[in-house]
Amino acid sequence: NAGVMQNPRHLVRRRGQEARLRCSPMKGHSHVYWYRQLPEEGLKFMVYLQKENIIDESGMPKERFSAEFPKEGPSILRIQQVVRGDSAAYFCASSPVVANEKLFFGSGTQLSVL
Amino acid sequence: RKEVEQDPGPFNVPEGATVAFNCTYSNSASQSFFWYRQDCRKEPKLLMSVYSSGNEDGRFTAQLNRASQYISLLIRDSKLSDSATYLCVYPGGTSYGKLTFGQGTILTVHP
Repeated sequence: NAGVMQNPRHLVRRRGQEARLRCSPMKGHSHVYWYRQLPEEGLKFMVYLQKENIIDESGMPKERFSAEFPKEGPSILRIQQVVRGDSAAYFCASSPVVANEKLFFGSGTQLSVL
Repeated sequence: RKEVEQDPGPFNVPEGATVAFNCTYSNSASQSFFWYRQDCRKEPKLLMSVYSSGNEDGRFTAQLNRASQYISLLIRDSKLSDSATYLCVYPGGTSYGKLTFGQGTILTVHP
């Protein structure tokens, strides 16, 4: 049973480009969470999704960021018109049920904005 | 005041030493927390849950002090492989995975 798969592992974008980060949850998991870790900071919650629904997006910046978890395929975190301040590690986690203990994290995507 | 605060360290200890970290929290109603471990900015991994009764797992002991609003992690007989960043995590009052992570405490165990 593969773990949470994130790709790409490293993503380099120039200012103004779009970044698309993908997350495939563990098999059988229908709850997905995205976290961001800025340099020298702790992880910050961004958004919680279930299949086709955004449940809690209280941690998402108001502009340029969006997330989806379609019925088929991976969850996508999309950042439009990236800026240098978006450079960070983006971690995805999944869980099989609504729970705060049974979270499994992916290896993350390191986004670098030039 | 931040929901959870940690001393970032670093803590440098020799192998075999006992080391303890504390984490203070602001929400007096909190009844459970987690300690996670993160290696070199890889994915965080759950180390232990912390409840009012405390928790022990081998060389690791976690305690919750509700009167003083802090949680602690004690590591006995430190190993080189214990070198990592230890993250204090608050469940944030939700039943789902909306976790609040502390900044982390860096531990380096040296020979």
